[in-house]
Amino acid sequence: GAVVSQHPSWVICKSGTSVKIECRSLDFQATTMFWYRQFPKQSLMLMATSNEGSKATYEQGVEKDKFLINHASLTLSTLTVTSAHPEDSSFYICSATPRAGGKLFFGSGTQLSVL
Amino acid sequence: DAKTTQPPSMDCAEGRAANLPCNHSTISGNEYVYWYRQIHSQGPQYIIHGLKNNETNEMASLIITEDRKSSTLILPHATLRDTAVYYCIVRVSQHNAGNNRKLIWGLGTSLAVNP
Repeated sequence: GAVVSQHPSWVICKSGTSVKIECRSLDFQATTMFWYRQFPKQSLMLMATSNEGSKATYEQGVEKDKFLINHASLTLSTLTVTSAHPEDSSFYICSATPRAGGKLFFGSGTQLSVL
Repeated sequence: DAKTTQPPSMDCAEGRAANLPCNHSTISGNEYVYWYRQIHSQGPQYIIHGLKNNETNEMASLIITEDRKSSTLILPHATLRDTAVYYCIVRVSQHNAGNNRKLIWGLGTSLAVNP
């Protein structure tokens, strides 16, 4: 089956620093990838839709200047949490689908802890 | 509001069948029922999906009622590794950015498989 790789699995950083998370589709091309955030014991919340070669589409309430998304190729999307603060600590997950109508495949997630 | 309703938690003995219910009384004719699961600190994993016929694969079986207002995911012989949160989602078959934005994940059912 299709594989989505997400890196790193976990990261601890100091408040005020920036953290980059990578999401790669290993065996398929993905013109669209999705970024989610999940707080403990809560469900997945879509943050933004990453579009290859164009600007990302952000959900209401998500600051585009804080959560920078770059989708430079058909197999890679990155999420950069800029000037991270403790309230940004969360589990971040990416997903992609090989084609319209296909299943949605998820990365393994990144646990971000901001001290 | 979530389009599906699931019990918040269930227990199952190892080796026994786990039957996870889901109500989706407002499902539309072109919407499929999808099941995903999320093991702790990992990204969601696709399990199975169906439209109106019962489906079976190597992981599980999906039983959809004739009126399509509810379904049951069956893990025939639950193991400890099946302990996870199980999400029931309804969505149209064509998966694109617009449709993904409409997905509501809910809190799922936390299944505990006990030895």
